[in-house]
Amino acid sequence: KQEVTQIPAALSVPEGENLVLNCSFTDSAIYNLQWFRQDPGKGLTSLLLIQSSQREQTSGRLNASLDKSSGRSTLYIAASQPGDSATYLCAVSGYGNNRLAFGKGNQVVVIP
Amino acid sequence: GAVVSQHPSWVICKSGTSVKIECRSLDFQATTMFWYRQFPKQSLMLMATSNEGSKATYEQGVEKDKFLINHASLTLSTLTVTSAHPEDSSFYICSAGLRGPETQYFGPGTRLLVL
Repeated sequence: KQEVTQIPAALSVPEGENLVLNCSFTDSAIYNLQWFRQDPGKGLTSLLLIQSSQREQTSGRLNASLDKSSGRSTLYIAASQPGDSATYLCAVSGYGNNRLAFGKGNQVVVIP
Repeated sequence: GAVVSQHPSWVICKSGTSVKIECRSLDFQATTMFWYRQFPKQSLMLMATSNEGSKATYEQGVEKDKFLINHASLTLSTLTVTSAHPEDSSFYICSAGLRGPETQYFGPGTRLLVL
């Protein structure tokens, strides 16, 4: 069974600092890995999707890397802003199915 | 594109009643829909996977007679929580996927509070 762990569970940073969020998974046989954003009481917004054959994906201030062999992904958010405050979820999918295994999330607070 | 809606967005009910939650894909046809449950500060836990026109596949530990799932069309799936109890209070999120690429589009969630 796939287990997804996200560290740290929560963090606060001053505005302008770079954010580094970590995700690890136990079964390296993944099809892809996604990073989502979740605001309190809301659904999920997909941020980045990395296919298993890829090493990283970038979108604006966000960059996600994937090291499948070691079962790790890192989400970098450059020059953080108060609007980046949210919970960031990492999820992996296996081959042959659409089932996603989620981590518990990194709860981020960016202090103005 | 790829918008998924849920209705209602929140519901409060008395213990013992049944609650139906709808999940719709608004601008695409979803061959597969997924239902998740999320407790405070916890991750999303997959409850069941449903394919249009066939019975849902439930995850281990999820009671299929308590959480009834109907996927009658390619754009609508419903989750009915039967005889709800306070421990069923949670945030329920659905997602819709297309056959092939493992991309799911998530709804905004439904918060259920059972008194």
